[in-house]
Amino acid sequence: EADIYQTPRYLVIGTGKKITLECSQTMGHDKMYWYQQDPGMELHLIHYSYGVNSTEKGDLSSESTVSRIRTEHFPLTLESARPSHTSQYLCASGLAGLNTGELFFGEGSRLTVL
Amino acid sequence: QKEVEQNSGPLSVPEGAIASLNCTYSDRGSQSFFWYRQYSGKSPELIMFIYSNGDKEDGRFTAQLNKASQYVSLLIRDSQPSDSATYLCAVKSTGNQFYFGTGTSLTVIP
Repeated sequence: EADIYQTPRYLVIGTGKKITLECSQTMGHDKMYWYQQDPGMELHLIHYSYGVNSTEKGDLSSESTVSRIRTEHFPLTLESARPSHTSQYLCASGLAGLNTGELFFGEGSRLTVL
Repeated sequence: QKEVEQNSGPLSVPEGAIASLNCTYSDRGSQSFFWYRQYSGKSPELIMFIYSNGDKEDGRFTAQLNKASQYVSLLIRDSQPSDSATYLCAVKSTGNQFYFGTGTSLTVIP
């Protein structure tokens, strides 16, 4: 069983609010990722990190930020939420290395912006 | 062109049949390939990974990789109703990023 946790699991907020989605893993993984997934659509990479103080933008990163101050913690922040941000957000972690690849996913944070 | 392409389905097979799921990818240098299963409302979980050309078997699941054709497949033998889910193909690119397909929805009919 994967030890990766996301909070909150569900969140309903109004437009313009600032929100932070939390993600923590206890497996000591270097790599962490944030994906956005809408029903019937592929996972879109928002941000990723290969270690402490390392963060990179993915495909959908323009309206959010992340930080990686500790190995186990990778929070995602939306400065001003909009209805278009309504989606499922999945955090994942994995080991570094050429032929290691399994990603462990958290249970997701479902965000609804009114 | 998408990095990873899958038929979205839905794919329906009777219980006990073989379900065949297919995936193509665009980055010829990709080295690692994964199949994840995602139940409705749940997060993806890894079923199989494959790095080398050929077949890899794990119980009722067989992953097949053909790097020349940039093609990955997943066979599920003796399909069970509990196999009903969306199956995501994922590819680890030369840039060390993971790309996911849209997933194929599988329904196993009792």
